[in-house]
Amino acid sequence: AQTVTQSQPEMSVQEAETVTLSCTYDTSESDYYLFWYKQPPSRQMILVIRQEAYKQQNATENRFSVNFQKAAKSFSLKISDSQLGDAAMYFCAYRSASGVGNQFYFGTGTSLTVIP
Amino acid sequence: DSGVTQTPKHLITATGQRVTLRCSPRSGDLSVYWYQQSLDQGLQFLIQYYNGEERAKGNILERFSAQQFPDLHSELNLSSLELGDSALYFCASSPRLAGYETQYFGPGTRLLVL
Repeated sequence: AQTVTQSQPEMSVQEAETVTLSCTYDTSESDYYLFWYKQPPSRQMILVIRQEAYKQQNATENRFSVNFQKAAKSFSLKISDSQLGDAAMYFCAYRSASGVGNQFYFGTGTSLTVIP
Repeated sequence: DSGVTQTPKHLITATGQRVTLRCSPRSGDLSVYWYQQSLDQGLQFLIQYYNGEERAKGNILERFSAQQFPDLHSELNLSSLELGDSALYFCASSPRLAGYETQYFGPGTRLLVL
């Protein structure tokens, strides 16, 4: 089974600064999808950004961007101009693009604190 | 609002009891996933259904079972409850069995076993 590793249990960033959350994954597949989800204190899971493995261009969504390094199996999330509302738990997830019953594999999460 | 609904929002019960959690996926979504999230823990995948059939199984205990009905809603049954089953249970849905589409998560059911 695929594994997703988030090696930073906790991170903090000053408001308006930039922070990068790390994620690595282990797979033998060549085609897959990667996601970042945000879970604020309300515990609602919210999609932040996603990336298709066959696309070399890094995905961007407003202040959120990823650095996708396929060979290194790395998928980091960069948050620019951090805001207080960005404080949350962030989960990285992997999904195969082939086969059946394609479950999502989640990392253990990174808790982000935004310091005013 | 993701379009995924879960009932009840909160559930308090005693050890040894049985409960049923209900999930209605987004309109048109055929795939339903169940997850368990204990306090300060990541998401543990329990089970996936697609169009009424079980398609993937994760760390689901034998005391737990699930099904997806013809109208595509799903139920997660938890029996012989233990204190350690206290957690937030999420349901998520996606349009297809596989693909680029994300999962859309419901608000979760908070289960407390006393």
